[in-house]
Amino acid sequence: DAKTTQPPSMDCAEGRAANLPCNHSTISGNEYVYWYRQIHSQGPQYIIHGLKNNETNEMASLIITEDRKSSTLILPHATLRDTAVYYCIVREMDSNYQLIWGAGTKLIIKP
Amino acid sequence: ETGVTQSPTHLIKTRGQQVTLRCSSQSGHNTVSWYQQALGQGPQFIFQYYREEENGRGNFPPRFSGLQFPNYSSELNVNALELDDSALYLCASSLGGRGREQYFGPGTRLTVT
Repeated sequence: DAKTTQPPSMDCAEGRAANLPCNHSTISGNEYVYWYRQIHSQGPQYIIHGLKNNETNEMASLIITEDRKSSTLILPHATLRDTAVYYCIVREMDSNYQLIWGAGTKLIIKP
Repeated sequence: ETGVTQSPTHLIKTRGQQVTLRCSSQSGHNTVSWYQQALGQGPQFIFQYYREEENGRGNFPPRFSGLQFPNYSSELNVNALELDDSALYLCASSLGGRGREQYFGPGTRLTVT
């Protein structure tokens, strides 16, 4: 079973910051938080991952709470092309395999 | 573009038939994972291959089998197709057998009638 809980859907206005929440209250000390997104009918796209500290890359920022029980993915200036299903996944960095996916959040960017 | 390619793009098969799906990993990646994604659901892990050996398996029956070749490309074989096997099949490549971010191909859409 997926170890994360996400809202099923969210809207955001184009040009605004999109903030996608994720709860992972049972996360253990050696588990990372990963974010992927999937644009309709395409393969999932890696976005970002983190352990404790906040992370930023060219796509997004990841904010992890101090107790690590939740996190937020931030798309700073959402565009229509950011409309997708966003998946939050927790995974041991030493895990030899699988990502366990939940249902994700359907993010719709509105003009 | 991730550099991961899959073939064919779409496929229609009849119940009971066998199918082979192919995946070429990103250059330099030695690990391939396969996922099944039913409509409206997140991907479900089938298995992973690392340096030509199966490195982990999800809750799929033995009629789902795979191979990885010396160039790290991979095949997914499904025997005795069932209607519920209709799905998007995704392969993902990564570097190293553990804990690296995975890069996905575009998927193969399999329809079983």
